[in-house]
Amino acid sequence: EAQVTQNPRYLITVTGKKLTVTCSQNMNHEYMSWYRQDPGLGLRQIYYSMNVEVTDKGDVPEGYKVSRKEKRNFPLILESPSPNQTSLYFCASGPGVNEKLFFGSGTQLSVL
Amino acid sequence: QKEVEQNSGPLSVPEGAIASLNCTYSDRVSQSFFWYRQYSGKSPELIMSIYSNGDKEDGRFTAQLNKASQYVSLLIRDSQPSDSATYLCAVYKNRDDKIIFGKGTRLHILP
Repeated sequence: EAQVTQNPRYLITVTGKKLTVTCSQNMNHEYMSWYRQDPGLGLRQIYYSMNVEVTDKGDVPEGYKVSRKEKRNFPLILESPSPNQTSLYFCASGPGVNEKLFFGSGTQLSVL
Repeated sequence: QKEVEQNSGPLSVPEGAIASLNCTYSDRVSQSFFWYRQYSGKSPELIMSIYSNGDKEDGRFTAQLNKASQYVSLLIRDSQPSDSATYLCAVYKNRDDKIIFGKGTRLHILP
């Protein structure tokens, strides 16, 4: 089944404790992206990748890191999480930026 | 002016009626437009894409695009309670090579 797999689904952590949210797609998509979704603010792009080893900042990249060592994986890393990073996170992939995006099931992150 | 604007709603529509969702965008050279549906607590899923002026129909859904007015809409005919969700308009900005999402319109279908 074609899908974007995102883990974990829920995560509660404390300020400063490094964490990684994993994202993997099995559709051989070139394009992958991370979003955060907050009430009243909509979907905001954190980072995106057009292909392996190519990543770029989105609209709200501060406090986040990503890597794209393999085509299928695009992990999101929070080196030192802070409470303002409490949010619902979505990974998405697509054949290209201008085409249908497939979203993962989301990660609800709470930073205490 | 925001890049992609939508009325946040909620938009309440009786079951069986037509729901009309609207979206305006600021970059007139945009060429690709998408409508995503997002149920509460779930991820967005694409329901329509449109690239040319005019109407595009898919089942009960019709997307309408007017590039001169920088306006894209989604019509849902014979609305069902299962259509209750947030609808996100997304626009591809050619000059920046990126997708911009609107904040979404909450639609509530009244049984």
